[in-house]
Amino acid sequence: EAGVTQFPSHSVIEKGQTVTLRCDPISGHDNLYWYRRVMGKEIKFLLHFVKESKQDESGMPNNRFLAERTGGTYSTLKVQPAELEDSGVYFCASSQGSGGATYNEQFFGPGTRLTVL
Amino acid sequence: AQSVTQPDIHITVSEGASLELRCNYSYGATPYLFWYVQSPGQGLQLLLKYFSGDTLVQGIKGFEAEFKRSQSSFNLRKPSVHWSDAAEYFCAVVWYRDDKIIFGKGTRLHILP
Repeated sequence: EAGVTQFPSHSVIEKGQTVTLRCDPISGHDNLYWYRRVMGKEIKFLLHFVKESKQDESGMPNNRFLAERTGGTYSTLKVQPAELEDSGVYFCASSQGSGGATYNEQFFGPGTRLTVL
Repeated sequence: AQSVTQPDIHITVSEGASLELRCNYSYGATPYLFWYVQSPGQGLQLLLKYFSGDTLVQGIKGFEAEFKRSQSSFNLRKPSVHWSDAAEYFCAVVWYRDDKIIFGKGTRLHILP
């Protein structure tokens, strides 16, 4: 069974440009999460989809970030326009089920390293 | 605010030596506790987790962790490290009914031959 995949693995863009990151979750996983780690800081939650709906987007830093999950399958995270402080590693994770009283393990992808020059 | 503290940013040990990585979480109800490892070029891999029950949990790759409620700690241990254990280790928590994972800043482990 394929794991969580992310594309691209590395992206280098200039300040002001647009970048779109993609995440393909494990097949059948309803929950999809985005996290990011900026240099020297901890990995931080960005948002959580349940199928195609945004369950929690409390971690999104500002309106330059737009996440979508059309059809409840893969997800994209667009940064427009990119700023220097957006550089970091963006992780995607997915899990089964609908939460509730049971915690469902999140499986992580390898991450996309974004460098904004 | 909910937080996870890993006080050691870097740790260096000799191959074959024992290892302990420290982790504390902010005081409150006991969360679900995890240790993840990230090797170069790889994603985050779950080493072990604690939800309830026996406070000493065994994980993959010979790792174990002990939950101590009185100290709000969940330290990771391995009796004898291998060169392949060189990686970055993250302690993490999930509070009940909240799906988001809260991570510590990570501890990078270096192994001396």
